[in-house]
Amino acid sequence: DTGVSQDPRHKITKRGQNVTFRCDPISEHNRLYWYRQTLGQGPEFLTYFQNEAQLEKSRLLSDRFSAERPKGSFSTLEIQRTEQGDSAMYLCASSPGGNQPQHFGDGTRLSIL
Amino acid sequence: AQKVTQAQTEISVVEKEDVTLDCVYETRDTTYYLFWYKQPPSGELVFLIRRNSFDEQNEISGRYSWNFQKSTSSFNFTITASQVVDSAVYFCALSHFLSGGYNKLIFGAGTRLAVHP
Repeated sequence: DTGVSQDPRHKITKRGQNVTFRCDPISEHNRLYWYRQTLGQGPEFLTYFQNEAQLEKSRLLSDRFSAERPKGSFSTLEIQRTEQGDSAMYLCASSPGGNQPQHFGDGTRLSIL
Repeated sequence: AQKVTQAQTEISVVEKEDVTLDCVYETRDTTYYLFWYKQPPSGELVFLIRRNSFDEQNEISGRYSWNFQKSTSSFNFTITASQVVDSAVYFCALSHFLSGGYNKLIFGAGTRLAVHP
């Protein structure tokens, strides 16, 4: 069990640029979640995948955000035309399903200049 | 609507003191799960405990203990004989089941615990 892996750990970019983050879940976990955490707050749910199907998207996920999990393994989260308000920690979690706990990665910290 | 409230923003204690972190939740679900996660400075959320809504037994794991009271919608976390390594932000979370049988977590704002030598 190598844990949930996220890449990169930090991303600094200028406003208006596109960014893409990657998440590799624990290998036998078919459920994958993305959360966003701003300073001083708890994580907020963004979206959920079961295998390759994206089954739920939060209202927080505007049209500039898109997430994929093409083969039911790793997932990517892309933000287009980044804005200052996108600055946050983006966390990925996976679980084997049922009511098992979600296991989180170290997150990708995004800073918009 | 589902909501988790952690009223204590920051707590500061001296090593070996006992400390209790409060968590109050709101939900209309009859079946739900409650969680505690620890977030050290490195950023990774570390799972500590899961408790389902039908099991109100308190749980103890080493220096950690949890008190679940459905009557007051609370799920408090106590660290006995705190240590410097316990310094972190602690999050209480509530699972909300969505159609399709999966769930998302609803987190409180967290309590930052500082344990001083």
